[in-house]
Amino acid sequence: QVQLQESGPGLVKPSETLSLTCTVSGGSIGTYYWSWIRQTPEKRLDWIGYISYSGIPYYNPSFKSRVTISLDTSKAQFSLSLTSLTTADTAIYYCARDYKGLIDYWGQGTLVTVSS
Amino acid sequence: DIQMTQSPSSLSASVGDRVTITCRASQNINTFLNWYQQKPGQAPKVVIFAASNLQSGVPSRFSGGGSGTDFALTISNLQPEDFATYFCHQSYQTPQTFGQGTNLEL
Repeated sequence: QVQLQESGPGLVKPSETLSLTCTVSGGSIGTYYWSWIRQTPEKRLDWIGYISYSGIPYYNPSFKSRVTISLDTSKAQFSLSLTSLTTADTAIYYCARDYKGLIDYWGQGTLVTVSS
Repeated sequence: DIQMTQSPSSLSASVGDRVTITCRASQNINTFLNWYQQKPGQAPKVVIFAASNLQSGVPSRFSGGGSGTDFALTISNLQPEDFATYFCHQSYQTPQTFGQGTNLEL
């Protein structure tokens, strides 16, 4: 059974950079796209972007200038970096697997609070 | 970006009822439409993929339909475990986008 687990800080200060890592277990990195999605306190789901199994990233233009997604196949991990944080970036951040447009496996999510 | 509009935003129903949630896309998305169920404190879970296909392990009382811009999720014979929030999701074009959610409450 595929499992994804997010890790990273739960509290970040405004203007700083958020770094999250997702570890994939129980399945191969290959042939899938690996996504980051967040859910705001208002329950809105925002697609941040994904990275292909070959390491090509695709970003939501709403985040493009601030976001980097990278892949480490040797560790079965992928990562999210989001810069210049504001309180509007407070959300639950999910990593997930995308198979041909279907987000079929999700991590449990990690709450990130942006506050001084 | 493709806008996904769900209705209603909230829905009250009883066990045994049949309910329908609709989702409208701002442009043609063929059948690149998925439905997810989310319970409090949990990640979303797939119920329907590619507009009308039941995800493995999901009860047959869930069904989906539609193509193009208009889609529907129907739950027949509501069970207590079905009360949750439902989201539609388009993967026709990046950025992928989600509906705002429908809170199905008892």
